Amino acid sequence: EAQVTQNPRYLITVTGKKLTVTCSQNMNHEYMSWYRQDPGLGLRQIYYSMNVEVTDKGDVPEGYKVSRKEKRNFPLILESPSPNQTSLYFCASSLRWDSSDEQYFGPGTRLTVT
Amino acid sequence: AQSVTQPDIHITVSEGASLELRCNYSYGATPYLFWYVQSPGQGLQLLLKYFSGDTLVQGIKGFEAEFKRSQSSFNLRKPSVHWSDAAEYFCAVGAWNTGFQKLVFGTGTRLLVSP
Repeated sequence: EAQVTQNPRYLITVTGKKLTVTCSQNMNHEYMSWYRQDPGLGLRQIYYSMNVEVTDKGDVPEGYKVSRKEKRNFPLILESPSPNQTSLYFCASSLRWDSSDEQYFGPGTRLTVT
Repeated sequence: AQSVTQPDIHITVSEGASLELRCNYSYGATPYLFWYVQSPGQGLQLLLKYFSGDTLVQGIKGFEAEFKRSQSSFNLRKPSVHWSDAAEYFCAVGAWNTGFQKLVFGTGTRLLVSP
């Protein structure tokens, strides 16, 4: 089944404790992206990747890091999480950045930072 | 830079009644336009998209949307709402020269369906 998977689905952590949210897709997609969803703000893009080893900042990259060492994986790293990073996070992928194909979303990761 | 406005935070519709969710965008050239639905506890699912051509776009689950360049709108419609349509709906816009790189989402409209 074609899908985007994220782990963990739920995470409660404390301020400053490094964490990684994994994202993996099995559709051989070149383009991958991370979003955060907050009430009243919709989805905002954090980082995106055009292909392996090519990443760039979205609208809200502060406090986050990403890497794209393999085509299928695009982990989101919070080196020192803070309470304002409490949010619902979505990973997404599409065939190419300019594809007319749709962008597929993962199920989301709900992160709470205390 | 492109932007999206969904003026209605919540909408309540009776089951069987028609639905229209509003979306206005701001972008200088021809945009890519999308509607996504998010059911409770789920990720986002694409309902329909507009890239070019016919301005009336048909999507899944009986939804359609019409691109009106003169009004900078891309409103989502459904002739008869079912209880299972209760969800949050997001409009999104992309630029032709950046594609998914800079997809901008609206703040969403939560649809409630009353019996």
